[in-house]
Amino acid sequence: EVKLLESGGGLVQPGGSLRLSCAASGFTFTDFYMSWIRQPPGKAPEWLGVIRNKANGYTTEYNPSVKGRFTISRDNTQNILYLQMNTLRAEDTAIYYCARIRLGPFFDYWGQGVMVTVSS
Amino acid sequence: DIVMTQAPLSVSVTPGESASISCRSSKSLLHSNGNTYVNWYLQKPGKSPQFLIYRMSNLASGVPDRFSGSGSETDFTLKISKVETEDVGVYYCGHGLEYPYTFGAGTKLELK
Repeated sequence: EVKLLESGGGLVQPGGSLRLSCAASGFTFTDFYMSWIRQPPGKAPEWLGVIRNKANGYTTEYNPSVKGRFTISRDNTQNILYLQMNTLRAEDTAIYYCARIRLGPFFDYWGQGVMVTVSS
Repeated sequence: DIVMTQAPLSVSVTPGESASISCRSSKSLLHSNGNTYVNWYLQKPGKSPQFLIYRMSNLASGVPDRFSGSGSETDFTLKISKVETEDVGVYYCGHGLEYPYTFGAGTKLELK
């Protein structure tokens, strides 16, 4: 069974940093592209970025809205996906999801999400 | 960025009747390989989004055949026949043609 479990969310002050983790299980992690997606309360999801699979060199792409502030990485020995978020702003407040990408492409599995609140 | 526009914002349906949700993209989602890169997701109340349909008309495994997707290069429709209580939630279209991937604003389906 595919499982994605995010952690690391919480309250952070504007200008601060936070690193989210997503523990993956139930599939061969290195075979899949993985993404981070966020959803402000009551709003639509926003795709943040992708990290490709082993066959494609684990390269990354980002939404211009967060490029330069957010970094996606992965630990392929422990099957963990990361999102490093720097210089956080109030508008970064959202539920953050990790998601597996099937080459369609589409997001076939989503984690349960973790809340990040940026406020003083 | 490709803008995905959904309509209506909400729809109220009597159980057993049909519902249709529209989605329009600001750019053709028809790839030269013949695939149309629009997907549909459902977010049930208090839950994460779940994947329903990929490449416009292909149902995800386990999705009832009451759901169907259709459309053209820029105009897409999700149809739910014989709506059931478990279908309540917010439906999002999203594209997979190019980066950045984007989603529509969502259509909330409620029961009368």
